[in-house]
Amino acid sequence: NAGVTQTPKFQVLKTGQSMTLQCAQDMNHEYMSWYRQDPGMGLRLIHYSVGAGITDQGEVPNGYNVSRSTTEDFPLRLLSAAPSQTSVYFCASGRGAKNIQYFGAGTRLSVL
Amino acid sequence: EDQVTQSPEALRLQEGESSSLNCSYTVSGLRGLFWYRQDPGKGPEFLFTLYSAGEEKEKERLKATLTKKESFLHITAPKPEDSATYLCAVQGGDSNYQLIWGAGTKLIIKP
Repeated sequence: NAGVTQTPKFQVLKTGQSMTLQCAQDMNHEYMSWYRQDPGMGLRLIHYSVGAGITDQGEVPNGYNVSRSTTEDFPLRLLSAAPSQTSVYFCASGRGAKNIQYFGAGTRLSVL
Repeated sequence: EDQVTQSPEALRLQEGESSSLNCSYTVSGLRGLFWYRQDPGKGPEFLFTLYSAGEEKEKERLKATLTKKESFLHITAPKPEDSATYLCAVQGGDSNYQLIWGAGTKLIIKP
């Protein structure tokens, strides 16, 4: 099992550009989510999904879109990148009542 | 409003010097309190889940405890490889999966 795989690991964008961060899991987990991690702050939930075709907003959804067409994949789209979106992005997946979440290695994004 | 506060922000210890990290929380109907470890440049890695006051969990040099208002992560005789950021998160009663996270405690163990 590869677990949760995120690509790319690093990305530099110019203001106004768009891009998609990829996330895939091979554990058949129903729950998937995207977080951003900024210095001095806890992980903040951007969007989440409880199954294919079902997505919902988290704490900080503005400027981001998601879709879940399969159980395995949960891409995060930045519509028009802004410097405030400079952060480290983590994808996580989990399943069942114990709610143990497994994280990818992260994508480090800089918006200039 | 659900909230998690971790203290201290950073902790430097000598190898073998035991100490504790604190996680204070306010949540409506605690369903679980989670401890994760995060190494530099990596994603968080699950350590423990605690469900009710009085519960304790142990793993090697780590022991997590829970009261109605806070959790402690006790580190006994730490080694340099225990150096990491330790994250605490809570799941409230109205959430099936969503977690509220603290900012973490950065632990540095000097040889």
